[in-house]
Amino acid sequence: GQQLNQSPQSMFIQEGEDVSMNCTSSSIFNTWLWYKQDPGEGPVLLIALYKAGELTSNGRLTAQFGITRKDSFLNISASIPSDVGIYFCAGQLGDNDMRFGAGTRLTVKP
Amino acid sequence: DTGVSQDPRHKITKRGQNVTFRCDPISEHNRLYWYRQTLGQGPEFLTYFQNEAQLEKSRLLSDRFSAERPKGSFSTLEIQRTEQGDSAMYLCASSLVTSGEYSEQFFGPGTRLTVL
Repeated sequence: GQQLNQSPQSMFIQEGEDVSMNCTSSSIFNTWLWYKQDPGEGPVLLIALYKAGELTSNGRLTAQFGITRKDSFLNISASIPSDVGIYFCAGQLGDNDMRFGAGTRLTVKP
Repeated sequence: DTGVSQDPRHKITKRGQNVTFRCDPISEHNRLYWYRQTLGQGPEFLTYFQNEAQLEKSRLLSDRFSAERPKGSFSTLEIQRTEQGDSAMYLCASSLVTSGEYSEQFFGPGTRLTVL
């Protein structure tokens, strides 16, 4: 089963608002990843984090690797309609086994 | 399109039937992964290949499941005697691993299986 606790489960926001979601785990990970999945498609990588405490940005997205290596957050600034989708966090300890959270479903109202 | 492809995209079958899915990874990628995703959940790791060798299998992969990657390129996932609990999206991903460091996994669009 899932080892990662991702919250919130869903969010309904107005276009232009900022969004924040996070992920916690009872286990440590060496890599934290954030994916976005659109309906009928596979997940697409948004941001990868490799070091505890690392803060990384990708356009309007910002993510941080928690100092304890057991948590991460993702922020989206100035949301737009195409941000709609399901966002998954994932933790990786070795180089093959990736564990996913249950996802945050984001709805953006124009 | 040079991404990961999966076939079929959708499969509806009756309980007890066998099904086989195919995954074509990105050319030259040496690692190929299979995941299962049920509604409202994230993908769960099933198994992975390094070239043609199957190196790890999850406890989720029961004896009814078998995966192959005979020539180190495409892979097949077969489910025998399907059960309603097998209904899920089956995702394939590939990556190019050249050292012990993390390498991005690129996902295919998935095969949605419905077992009636």
